[in-house]
Amino acid sequence: SQQGEEDPQALSIQEGENATMNCSYKTSINNLQWYRQNSGRGLVHLILIRSNEREKHSGRLRVTLDTSKKSSSLLITASRAADTASYFCATDADGTDKLIFGTGTRLQVFP
Amino acid sequence: GAGVSQSPSNKVTEKGKDVELRCDPISGHTALYWYRQSLGQGLEFLIYFQGNSAPDKSGLPSDRFSAERTGGSVSTLTIQRTQQEDSAVYLCASSLRTGFSEKLFFGSGTQLSVL
Repeated sequence: SQQGEEDPQALSIQEGENATMNCSYKTSINNLQWYRQNSGRGLVHLILIRSNEREKHSGRLRVTLDTSKKSSSLLITASRAADTASYFCATDADGTDKLIFGTGTRLQVFP
Repeated sequence: GAGVSQSPSNKVTEKGKDVELRCDPISGHTALYWYRQSLGQGLEFLIYFQGNSAPDKSGLPSDRFSAERTGGSVSTLTIQRTQQEDSAVYLCASSLRTGFSEKLFFGSGTQLSVL
């Protein structure tokens, strides 16, 4: 079963615009991670935010976490065509060691 | 190796045949995970290993699926009597250890097609 649900399922923007993706999850968590996937193959870790953090930055990425609403958002600023990919959130499931992934957002950035 | 290696990268098989998918994790990584991803879908958790033991096999879809890990390194996912609904990309990932603060390193996956 999916722990996280991303919204929107698909997003198309122009280069230079900002892209915002949201993730909602169901159970209590210790942390939340965001991953990127190109061309339906291996995923690459982007950023991790702990349950006691509210916001985290890494380069053009900004992640927020609202544990009261069980939701997180990933903001990519000044997007580039190379940002075109699918983005997934992932959380530990109720304190277990397995990482459960959401359904993903497909981002298309047009030059 | 430098990264997580999976083989084969593509596998085409006939319905009813058995297949073995291999994962070679990053050297020194004690935790290993298997996921399945159907076309255009999210990742479905299958199983994870801590060392050679599998504390959580809850994601295996049926008793046709099994996995083992030997020597705390290479893992094999076996699917017996394959069905068309088994067609998917099978992704392996490893991390230094299990734990909710560990990030996963993924292989490039095995695309399995069951005809």
